Amino acid sequence: GAGVSQSPSNKVTEKGKDVELRCDPISGHTALYWYRQRLGQGLEFLIYFQGNSAPDKSGLPSDRFSAERTGESVSTLTIQRTQQEDSAVYLCASSLALAAVYEQYFGPGTRLTVT
Amino acid sequence: AQKITQTQPGMFVQEKEAVTLDCTYDTSDQSYGLFWYKQPSSGEMIFLIYQGSYDEQNATEGRYSLNFQKARKSANLVISASQLGDSAMYFCAMRDLIQGAQKLVFGQGTRLTINP
Repeated sequence: GAGVSQSPSNKVTEKGKDVELRCDPISGHTALYWYRQRLGQGLEFLIYFQGNSAPDKSGLPSDRFSAERTGESVSTLTIQRTQQEDSAVYLCASSLALAAVYEQYFGPGTRLTVT
Repeated sequence: AQKITQTQPGMFVQEKEAVTLDCTYDTSDQSYGLFWYKQPSSGEMIFLIYQGSYDEQNATEGRYSLNFQKARKSANLVISASQLGDSAMYFCAMRDLIQGAQKLVFGQGTRLTINP
């Protein structure tokens, strides 16, 4: 079956522009997660969804970041007024349910470069 | 707060040798899960192995095993008979099993290079 997919795979944008990153989770996975990975670093948790609900937005770096999810399907991460420090790989993951015993399956990521 | 520490930024190992990647963690939680992920140069995160804090046996998955020492708060990954394809970044991560289990906390990673 299909894994987690993300689009675009690469995005170059000018500072100050808005960008929208898309994640298609594995079908049937109720939990969805967004992470950010700066060059040479580990993954930094941003936000998770249980269904289309995001109970905790405290991991988002600033109010320029927002995310939404349609039902138990596609999620979009939007970054407004991008800054150079937003340059990173943004990874999406999904799991069958929210319980920790379920492994998270990761997508290939979107590499965002802000010039 | 949970924290993962991986003290080896890079490791170089000869093919077919066993390798141990270190991971220590800090948490006040009693119930938690520990994970190892592999990230090849292509960028995808590949799940390798999971250990629950109450599991009495060390987890094993093929050539991967997790040396879990709860009292020392360590969860080292052991790869037996290393192969050239094992060259990648390796990340240790943990999840709280009680507080909604909403996120993985990752270490900084270890870059493993297997030499022929």
